[in-house]
Amino acid sequence: GQQLNQSPQSMFIQEGEDVSMNCTSSSIFNTWLWYKQDPGEGPVLLIALYKAGELTSNGRLTAQFGITRKDSFLNISASIPSDVGIYFCAGRDNFNKFYFGSGTKLNVKP
Amino acid sequence: GAGVSQSPSNKVTEKGKDVELRCDPISGHTALYWYRQSLGQGLEFLIYFQGNSAPDKSGLPSDRFSAERTGGSVSTLTIQRTQQEDSAVYLCASSNYNEQFFGPGTRLTVL
Repeated sequence: GQQLNQSPQSMFIQEGEDVSMNCTSSSIFNTWLWYKQDPGEGPVLLIALYKAGELTSNGRLTAQFGITRKDSFLNISASIPSDVGIYFCAGRDNFNKFYFGSGTKLNVKP
Repeated sequence: GAGVSQSPSNKVTEKGKDVELRCDPISGHTALYWYRQSLGQGLEFLIYFQGNSAPDKSGLPSDRFSAERTGGSVSTLTIQRTQQEDSAVYLCASSNYNEQFFGPGTRLTVL
């Protein structure tokens, strides 16, 4: 099956710093998604990307769908304490099945 | 409702008992997924329903696990003869093909 490698596994940053995380896949995807999960809740969709090369922003979040269709990154600018959580990438294949990265745990120090 | 809903939110059961977990997807979404998430871990795919097609059951960890989707809407995940290692959060998601939306999950504790 398809494998997604998400990095880094965890990050400790100071409030106000920018953050970058990425995912790479062994196969191509048709859609890339980025989620945030807070403790005790389900993942919440942050950004969806639909075509290779697409760069999309949502407030302080920016994500890109890699040209090869095998990778994506998520940037968070000017981090704030409420950005704390676990971020997951996900890719959708031709059969509408979704594959998830193992998550990036973000810690923000005030 | 506007989003995916799951019930119960919490379930505590004794080892060996059967449990049923329910998922109500977003109206109009033809695809429905079940995942399992152990504490501090990522998402483990269990099963996927797509319209009237046969479900993709490739992620079910044992034959104690089964799921149904009635009328193309509500789904029930059943775990028979529960074991302590089944303790986890069970997440349901539905999809409109491009995007996938999650419910809040059911936290299952097997004593």
